[in-house]
Amino acid sequence: GAVVSQHPSRVICKSGTSVKIECRSLDFQATTMFWYRQFPKQSLMLMATSNEGSKATYEQGVEKDKFLINHASLTLSTLTVTSAHPEDSSFYICSARSLTSGVFSYEQYFGPGTRLTVT
Amino acid sequence: AQTVTQSQPEMSVQEAETVTLSCTYDTSESDYYLFWYKQPPSRQMILVIRQEAYKQQNATENRFSVNFQKAAKSFSLKISDSQLGDAAMYFCALGAQKLVFGQGTRLTINP
Repeated sequence: GAVVSQHPSRVICKSGTSVKIECRSLDFQATTMFWYRQFPKQSLMLMATSNEGSKATYEQGVEKDKFLINHASLTLSTLTVTSAHPEDSSFYICSARSLTSGVFSYEQYFGPGTRLTVT
Repeated sequence: AQTVTQSQPEMSVQEAETVTLSCTYDTSESDYYLFWYKQPPSRQMILVIRQEAYKQQNATENRFSVNFQKAAKSFSLKISDSQLGDAAMYFCALGAQKLVFGQGTRLTINP
């Protein structure tokens, strides 16, 4: 099956620093990757959609300059939280959509998530 | 705008019994897909079942089935013969290019 990994699984950083989260599709090529944010006991909120080789499309209310997304290849997308603050602490989840998914092309495969804590 | 509503924050069921989770949605799109995802304590999102809106036949995956009522914009999930491993948060999701998730229903299985 399609596998998506995220690294790191947990990260603690100091306020004001930047942190990078990687999302990799391990056994398929992902034309599109998505970044979600999930607060405790809440649902997933889409932050942005990234397509390989082009700029990410951010959802309304998401600060583009704070959450930098780079989709440099068909297997890697990165989310960089710049000048992190305690309110950025959350669970970040990525997903990827396959270039060729067979019959169903809209299925998203999810990574295991990254827990970010900003102190 | 697309919206998904799960009106049951929590549900519980006895092991081996059947439980139904509710989901309603709203969209102006004619072509869309509906999904149920399971999120166990590990927080890994797992696809349970999917339904193409253009298909009238309800999707079924082993013990999981849906009741898709397109006119009513309703998409409920039925879990038969509930097992302890079914305990998780369940999210209903709507979309095609991108997904919109409901608030989730926490399902507890009582042994």
